[in-house]
Amino acid sequence: GAGVSQSPSNKVTEKGKDVELRCDPISGHTALYWYRQSLGQGLEFLIYFQGNSAPDKSGLPSDRFSAERTGGSVSTLTIQRTQQEDSAVYLCASRRRSGRSETQYFGPGTRLLVL
Amino acid sequence: GIQVEQSPPDLILQEGANSTLRCNFSDSVNNLQWFHQNPWGQLINLFYIPSGTKQNGRLSATTVATERYSLLYISSSQTTDSGVYFCAVLRGTNAGKSTFGDGTTLTVKP
Repeated sequence: GAGVSQSPSNKVTEKGKDVELRCDPISGHTALYWYRQSLGQGLEFLIYFQGNSAPDKSGLPSDRFSAERTGGSVSTLTIQRTQQEDSAVYLCASRRRSGRSETQYFGPGTRLLVL
Repeated sequence: GIQVEQSPPDLILQEGANSTLRCNFSDSVNNLQWFHQNPWGQLINLFYIPSGTKQNGRLSATTVATERYSLLYISSSQTTDSGVYFCAVLRGTNAGKSTFGDGTTLTVKP
């Protein structure tokens, strides 16, 4: 089946504007993650959704960042009043559970540039 | 929180050479994965290996959980192996927060 998809692929915005990033996980996957990757850096955990449980928001860098997951499927990451330091690649991953395996599968990412 | 350290940070190989990448972690884990990020930025899952040894073609991985490290072996390297290799660890069966190392950047020259 299809992999994790993200949209838009690229987003250029002006400082102070709000942006919404979308993630469509693999069908049937129970968990969904958002990460941020700055140029040349590793992955920074942002937020994690697991089924109907309360999300783990411990990685969100400020209250300008929020995320929702509707119907246990599609997720939207919203950044309000964007700043230049928000420029990064935002990656979404979904996870299946197969026996004891907890494998994450990543989408292609959204490249955000804040001018 | 848990610390994940990868070494070496950079590695340059001639095509056909073998290499070993290392991932050390500071506490017990029950989920460890190796990923390859290709030059276009796509992250590809290589192994889920919280313990033991697995092999997939020219790649193999070993995790010694009691000593808190994992190794990724690449044999007969090819130019398409170039990119960044990350390990990621997660604690607790249902815990969501996975911690990534800073990666090893591999360049394989023809």
